[in-house]
Amino acid sequence: EVQLVESGGGLVKPGGSLRLSCAASGFSFSSYSMNWVRQAPGKGLEWVSSISSGSSYIYYADSVKGRFTISRDNAKNSLYLQMNSLRAEDTAMYYCARSREGGTKVGMDVWGQGTTVTVSS
Amino acid sequence: QSALTQPPSASGSPGQSVTISCTGTSSDVGGYNYVSWYQQHPGKAPKLMIYEVSKRPSGVPDRFSGSKSGNTASLTVSGLQAEDEADYYCSSHAGSNNFVVFGGGTKLTAL
Repeated sequence: EVQLVESGGGLVKPGGSLRLSCAASGFSFSSYSMNWVRQAPGKGLEWVSSISSGSSYIYYADSVKGRFTISRDNAKNSLYLQMNSLRAEDTAMYYCARSREGGTKVGMDVWGQGTTVTVSS
Repeated sequence: QSALTQPPSASGSPGQSVTISCTGTSSDVGGYNYVSWYQQHPGKAPKLMIYEVSKRPSGVPDRFSGSKSGNTASLTVSGLQAEDEADYYCSSHAGSNNFVVFGGGTKLTAL
């Protein structure tokens, strides 16, 4: 079964850091671009970051550029998101999502169930 | 404010057709044939329904169809069913800077 499982969310104070992980199974992880997408409570989807299969190409939304770092370990079938200098507006459900063959611009066809990040003092 | 504009809500009677619009610019929707649509039920993860403007992933009913004209993309649900009640989000490739942009979402109700 193709599956993505996120972990690492939690409550953190403004200015703090958190590292999210996404464990992939059931497919050849190293062949696909991967993404993080977030959803603030009661709000819509917001793309956060994308990384190509071999980590050569990395993209960030302006809202997180310079604060978040996406990475992957193909040997461990895992995707990561290092989040620093967290702000209240980063509070959201964070989803890990697989890009279709052809890359993220073609769409994201497998999603995890998400991990919740709450930034509050 | 979302990069792509969607109506907040849409509705139709069971069996009817409903169309949801998604308006962007020549830098995103109008510039690329890379529009996707996602369905999200409450408390669930999004599900890809349409990619590359009008293509359906395996397993998505053919009641769902997509199209594009200029800077506006559309998702049409034909033969509306109660299970189609959900939030729908469009997204588009937007070049190497913004890369992916989403619409604000449309809540679809089956009356």
